[in-house]
Amino acid sequence: AQTVTQSQPEMSVQEAETVTLSCTYDTSENNYYLFWYKQPPSRQMILVIRQEAYKQQNATENRFSVNFQKAAKSFSLKISDSQLGDTAMYFCAFRGTFGDMRFGAGTRLTVKP
Amino acid sequence: DTGVSQNPRHKITKRGQNVTFRCDPISEHNRLYWYRQTLGQGPEFLTYFQNEAQLEKSRLLSDRFSAERPKGSFSTLEIQRTEQGDSAMYLCASSPQGQGYGYTFGSGTRLTVV
Repeated sequence: AQTVTQSQPEMSVQEAETVTLSCTYDTSENNYYLFWYKQPPSRQMILVIRQEAYKQQNATENRFSVNFQKAAKSFSLKISDSQLGDTAMYFCAFRGTFGDMRFGAGTRLTVKP
Repeated sequence: DTGVSQNPRHKITKRGQNVTFRCDPISEHNRLYWYRQTLGQGPEFLTYFQNEAQLEKSRLLSDRFSAERPKGSFSTLEIQRTEQGDSAMYLCASSPQGQGYGYTFGSGTRLTVV
């Protein structure tokens, strides 16, 4: 069974600085996708960024980028130029061959002014 | 299309009562998923549908839980004889068929069992 681990329950960062959220996963599959979702307080989950396992190039979406290390089964999220609106829970997720997505326990990120 | 819609947003019920939640997915999406999320935790998979067929059910889904997706459109999740441990946010998501697609989530239904 696939497991997703986020070892940082809470993190904080000063506005305009950079922060990295960690995620590791365990799988025996070779073809899979990894995702980062953002859940602002009392609001719905929003997809932030997606990585395909067979692509070596790290995905980037504006201020958000990932560091995907397939051999180490690591998938960290870097947020550059942090903004107050980035304050949220961030969930790492794994989707393998069989369709449903498995989530980590989340990291609560607070951006301080 | 206005995204994934869930109703009601909040539900308070007494222990032992039955409750039913509804999810309307994005119309082009043939896959629909139900997750449960407790405070400070990530979503836990409950079940998913491809069109009207229920393809997978988690062991978390006891026999008090049942889900349907008649005609492959909206879905309902029913909890019978609710218990206090059922208190959680119930999330619905939809996606096109295909491993690489992310999910579009609804705003969830928050259930409180008193």
